[in-house]
Amino acid sequence: AQKVTQAQTEISVVEKEDVTLDCVYETRDTTYYLFWYKQPPSGELVFLIRRNSFDEQNEISGRYSWNFQKSTSSFNFTITASQVVDSAVYFCALSEARTLSTPLVFGKGTRLSVIA
Amino acid sequence: EPEVTQTPSHQVTQMGQEVILRCVPISNHLYFYWYRQILGQKVEFLVSFYNNEISEKSEIFDDQFSVERPDGSNFTLKIRSTKLEDSAMYFCASSDRTVNQPQHFGDGTRLSIL
Repeated sequence: AQKVTQAQTEISVVEKEDVTLDCVYETRDTTYYLFWYKQPPSGELVFLIRRNSFDEQNEISGRYSWNFQKSTSSFNFTITASQVVDSAVYFCALSEARTLSTPLVFGKGTRLSVIA
Repeated sequence: EPEVTQTPSHQVTQMGQEVILRCVPISNHLYFYWYRQILGQKVEFLVSFYNNEISEKSEIFDDQFSVERPDGSNFTLKIRSTKLEDSAMYFCASSDRTVNQPQHFGDGTRLSIL
């Protein structure tokens, strides 16, 4: 069975600090996809990144970076020089590639508060 | 940038009433989904839909729920006889090809059952 664990329920940082959001996943499939979504206070879900299980290269996009390690089944997300606009709930999600319409399994989310 | 559109943004309904939530997926997408998020909790999968039929559904998606693609653009979720515990944010999502493309979500419909 699939499972995504985000052990950090809430994190508070001061603006300009770096912050890492942890994500640990469980799956029996060898082919799967990992995602991060952002849910700002307005409530929508914003796609941030997708990673497939065969690509362990770290990715950087501006102030955002992702560290995928299959050995520890982790897909952590780091925000560098955090800003108040980064305040949101961040969800890690997993999708196995077993069917044509495999649903996303979400973690419980980490609420990030960036204080000015 | 194309986006998934959901209406209404907020629906208030009396317990026991039927409610229909509407979604317009991204036009060239083939796979459609409904998820729900009870306040303060994680996002949970309800159902996926492809080629005019349900592909997968979760345990939450019982006989009270149904989905339909009544025309070439809309994708609806119907709850037949609403219960208090159906109060949640309902998200529609669509994707081009599920294993290679991310699911893009609408802004959600907040359903409040009184």
